[in-house]
Amino acid sequence: GQQLNQSPQSMFIQEGEDVSMNCTSSSIFNTWLWYKQDPGEGPVLLIALYKAGELTSNGRLTAQFGITRKDSFLNISASIPSDVGIYFCAGFSGGSNYKLTFGKGTLLTVNP
Amino acid sequence: NAGVTQTPKFRVLKTGQSMTLLCAQDMNHEYMYWYRQDPGMGLRLIHYSVGEGTTAKGEVPDGYNVSRLKKQNFLLGLESAAPSQTSVYFCASSYAQAYNHPQHFGDGTRLSIL
Repeated sequence: GQQLNQSPQSMFIQEGEDVSMNCTSSSIFNTWLWYKQDPGEGPVLLIALYKAGELTSNGRLTAQFGITRKDSFLNISASIPSDVGIYFCAGFSGGSNYKLTFGKGTLLTVNP
Repeated sequence: NAGVTQTPKFRVLKTGQSMTLLCAQDMNHEYMYWYRQDPGMGLRLIHYSVGEGTTAKGEVPDGYNVSRLKKQNFLLGLESAAPSQTSVYFCASSYAQAYNHPQHFGDGTRLSIL
């Protein structure tokens, strides 16, 4: 089946630093999604990307849909303590396939 | 704004016991999903439903059953719980499984099987 390789698995950064994480796949996706999961809660959608090459921002977050449609990147600028959590990428290939494929997540820790 | 509500939030079971997890959504979504989340494994799809009265198997369906008798509810059943089913279970829903209708998640049910 389809798999997403998400990296890094974890990151430890100082408050104020920028963060970058990415997902790659051997398969093409039509949609890339980035979710954040706070401790004890469910994933919450951060950014959705629908076209190859698309660059979308949500506050300090910026995500890009790779030109090859096989990868996506999420950047967080000027990190703050509340950015702590697990970030998941997810891809949707469309058609009759109703399933999202999730990456295994990036655990982000921000030291004040 | 309830969104997706999961009941219960926590549960401890003994091996062999049965239980049902309830998911309710108030967004009139057609599609609903059950995932399990284990450390280092991300989210894995157990079963899903594309509408009232329909269900389908996901990536890891063994040991689970589901029902979608009402559009707003999606039930996940464990007939004979096993320790390997200790996990955090998430329900999600979406208006449609089209490219512009992302899934919305509940806050999870933490299940321990002793």
